Amino acid sequence: AQRVTQPEKLLSVFKGAPVELKCNYSYSGSPELFWYVQYSRQRLQLLLRHISRESIKGFTADLNKGETSFHLKKPFAQEEDSAMYYCALASGATNKLIFGTGTLLAVQP
Amino acid sequence: DGGITQSPKYLFRKEGQNVTLSCEQNLNHDAMYWYRQDPGQGLRLIYYSQIVNDFQKGDIAEGYSVSREKKESFPLTVTSAQKNPTAFYLCASSIRGGGNEQFFGPGTRLTVL
Repeated sequence: AQRVTQPEKLLSVFKGAPVELKCNYSYSGSPELFWYVQYSRQRLQLLLRHISRESIKGFTADLNKGETSFHLKKPFAQEEDSAMYYCALASGATNKLIFGTGTLLAVQP
Repeated sequence: DGGITQSPKYLFRKEGQNVTLSCEQNLNHDAMYWYRQDPGQGLRLIYYSQIVNDFQKGDIAEGYSVSREKKESFPLTVTSAQKNPTAFYLCASSIRGGGNEQFFGPGTRLTVL
């Protein structure tokens, strides 16, 4: 079964601390993985995708097929990073997204 | 902040009534999607459409219906058969094909009274 798991509902860190939001997936084919972010009172938007291998707003995510993981990392958290983060898996050519349950990141001053 | 719009922002419905949520996009995208967002459950796919006049059921299609008569529009009807319709509904669109970014609307919060 295709599934995305985000084990943490809430992650609270202090400003300047490293951040790692965990994401594990279950998919039989070659996965297309994404991180979407929803800031307060803003619409859901793409943060990054594994195929582009970009660093956006200091965040990176590496696809680890052996561990079936796509964890999101940032070395130094900022208060403006506080948001809800969703890991998502694109299912085949239809581009349907399978979302995890989300992790709320709270960066304390 | 155009691109993809949803209306209304808030919607109240009495039990037993059908209600239609609007989704419009001017991004010239072929593919459109409807998701339902519930606290603690993430987003779940209701229906999706890859092209005009064609659509497919998602994971939780029961109690919902859609149409895709125009490329720009993908309205969602929440019928009285939907047992727990109170939720936040998100519409998205993308270029057709796998691995493409989906662009989301601002959402509609439906409350059944």
